[in-house]
Amino acid sequence: DIVMTQSPDSLAVSLGERATINCKSSQSVLYSSNNENYLAWYQQKPGQPPKLLIYWASSRESGVPDRFSGSGSATDFTLTISSLQAEDVAVYYCQQYYSTPYTFGQGTKLEIK
Amino acid sequence: EVQLVESGGGLVQPGGSLRLSCAASGFTFSSYWMHWVRQAPGKGLVWVSRIKSDGSNTNYADSVKGRFTISRDNAKNTLYLQMNSLRAEDTAVYYCTRDQGATFGYWGQGTLVTVSS
Repeated sequence: DIVMTQSPDSLAVSLGERATINCKSSQSVLYSSNNENYLAWYQQKPGQPPKLLIYWASSRESGVPDRFSGSGSATDFTLTISSLQAEDVAVYYCQQYYSTPYTFGQGTKLEIK
Repeated sequence: EVQLVESGGGLVQPGGSLRLSCAASGFTFSSYWMHWVRQAPGKGLVWVSRIKSDGSNTNYADSVKGRFTISRDNAKNTLYLQMNSLRAEDTAVYYCTRDQGATFGYWGQGTLVTVSS
């Protein structure tokens, strides 16, 4: 199984500042035939189901604000929120869909400083 | 509008069984792979199972293989998860999700399964 490890486990950032969450996979999730990284990011607010933010490591889902961006390749990935808003308080998860069992990172809790 | 509505959760004793349902609407159900993802209280997300659009292919997490069975009825636009030999560690909110290139583009609100004596 591919193990996904996020860092940090929790993060406190001031409003308007940049937030960065990292995700590392135990093996590459870059599929050579199409040069795509099979990596997604989700946001989960309390009492709600997760919401897809980013897929193919850097493609923003429709309706997701452009302050959210994803980057990285192969085994190392980053989710960046360029200017933190109050509504961004949530837990963020990375997920690989390169192979089953699909696996998630343990989550990063983002709070306001 | 895509809607996924889970039902069937509840309290069950260890060793017992439960069948979850997920009613889908707002899209052509028979065209999509579907998944179950679970989340234990206060914990992270765990993929449980998936089923191909026509029901011909299924996959499971090792932790549920041999105990859980995913199925679907495309005529009724409904996804199922039959859960047998339930254990305390199966306690979780179970989400029905629609495949989006193997990501999870749409989620239901979830149904809580509690395994306890």
